[in-house]
Amino acid sequence: AQSVTQPDIHITVSEGASLELRCNYSYGATPYLFWYVQSPGQGLQLLLKYFSGDTLVQGIKGFEAEFKRSQSSFNLRKPSVHWSDAAEYFCALKDSSYKLIFGSGTRLLVRP
Amino acid sequence: DAGVIQSPRHEVTEMGQEVTLRCKPISGHDYLFWYRQTMMRGLELLIYFNNNVPIDDSGMPEDRFSAKMPNASFSTLKIQPSEPRDSAVYFCASSLGTSGRSDTQYFGPGTRLTVL
Repeated sequence: AQSVTQPDIHITVSEGASLELRCNYSYGATPYLFWYVQSPGQGLQLLLKYFSGDTLVQGIKGFEAEFKRSQSSFNLRKPSVHWSDAAEYFCALKDSSYKLIFGSGTRLLVRP
Repeated sequence: DAGVIQSPRHEVTEMGQEVTLRCKPISGHDYLFWYRQTMMRGLELLIYFNNNVPIDDSGMPEDRFSAKMPNASFSTLKIQPSEPRDSAVYFCASSLGTSGRSDTQYFGPGTRLTVL
């Protein structure tokens, strides 16, 4: 069965530090993968997506993600975190029936 | 474009009452999705429409839930009668298509429903 796992419920980083949020997936074919961000009281905003081709994907707000088929991972990274990046981050997989299957989310806290 | 519009943003109602949530998708988008977000179950797809036709409603929890899309610019999600366990944030999303570059789903701000 298709699934998405985000093993970290919370992550705290200092402002200016680098960030990596983990995402692992289970899917029988080449997946379409997404990262969304949800600020408090807001909807989900797409950060980036992977369909095929280059395994390093650039997104908005300085985020990038790397697709690693051998590890079934699609980790999100940012070299220097800003206080405004504090939010909840969701990894998602699109299955063959066009549904988005979301991970449970990782809440990012940023220390000043 | 104004993005996906949902109303109301907050709804508080009493158990047994009917609740109607509304969504206006992005103009020109052919797909509309309703999701529910809870602490226990995360984000779940309830139902989605293509060109106003319901395609997959397997995520609708029970018969108390119904969704309609009478035209390309409006959809409703109705709960009748509502129960406290329906308390959640309900999101509407729309996309141009479901493949390639057109399948990005754009989410509305959500409706926070509280059933007392």
